[in-house]
Amino acid sequence: NAGVTQTPKFRVLKTGQSMTLLCAQDMNHEYMYWYRQDPGMGLRLIHYSVGEGTTAKGEVPDGYNVSRLKKQNFLLGLESAAPSQTSVYFCASSYQGYGYTFGSGTRLTVV
Amino acid sequence: LAKTTQPISMDSYEGQEVNITCSHNNIATNDYITWYQQFPSQGPRFIIQGYKTKVTNEVASLFIPADRKSSTLSLPRVSLSDTAVYYCLVGDMARTAGNKLTFGGGTRVLVKP
Repeated sequence: NAGVTQTPKFRVLKTGQSMTLLCAQDMNHEYMYWYRQDPGMGLRLIHYSVGEGTTAKGEVPDGYNVSRLKKQNFLLGLESAAPSQTSVYFCASSYQGYGYTFGSGTRLTVV
Repeated sequence: LAKTTQPISMDSYEGQEVNITCSHNNIATNDYITWYQQFPSQGPRFIIQGYKTKVTNEVASLFIPADRKSSTLSLPRVSLSDTAVYYCLVGDMARTAGNKLTFGGGTRVLVKP
């Protein structure tokens, strides 16, 4: 089925470790986004991209890096994980803002 | 980005109509109003989007008064499966803005049998 696919779905990291979350979409959307959601709260925008090769900071970018080397993929990297980055991460894509399609999320725990 | 205010939670019963009102007093001319639904352990799902007056689809209706400072999402005849968090978002649809949407805390709707 067409949509947004996130890998992995679950991950446990030790403090200081690094990892990359992968987001892939097959809808030919130009815009892609990474959000984080903490328990009982709304989503906060980490980084976003308006096209291949371009990225921009969102509301809470510190501690994260992103890359959009291919139009269909948007990678979120944590260089040195901290317990404060324990959260559920959602990737989304949109066609010029007319309705976001979200992935099913990656649940990350940093111990 | 326009700030939105919506109730934290609402309870309803199966078969009733649920109306959730969102305030967005500083909405800008280019802003659209969008509603999303989120079930536990899932990503948000687009429900409906509008600019003014009324929009209706197979899931919900969206009512926007002339001054656009508020909007109401209407869910007709809810069922238990409509229990979710509903987010009201206001965003600039201009192409250069990246269409970044800011999610508030949402409204937790609990549908009871």
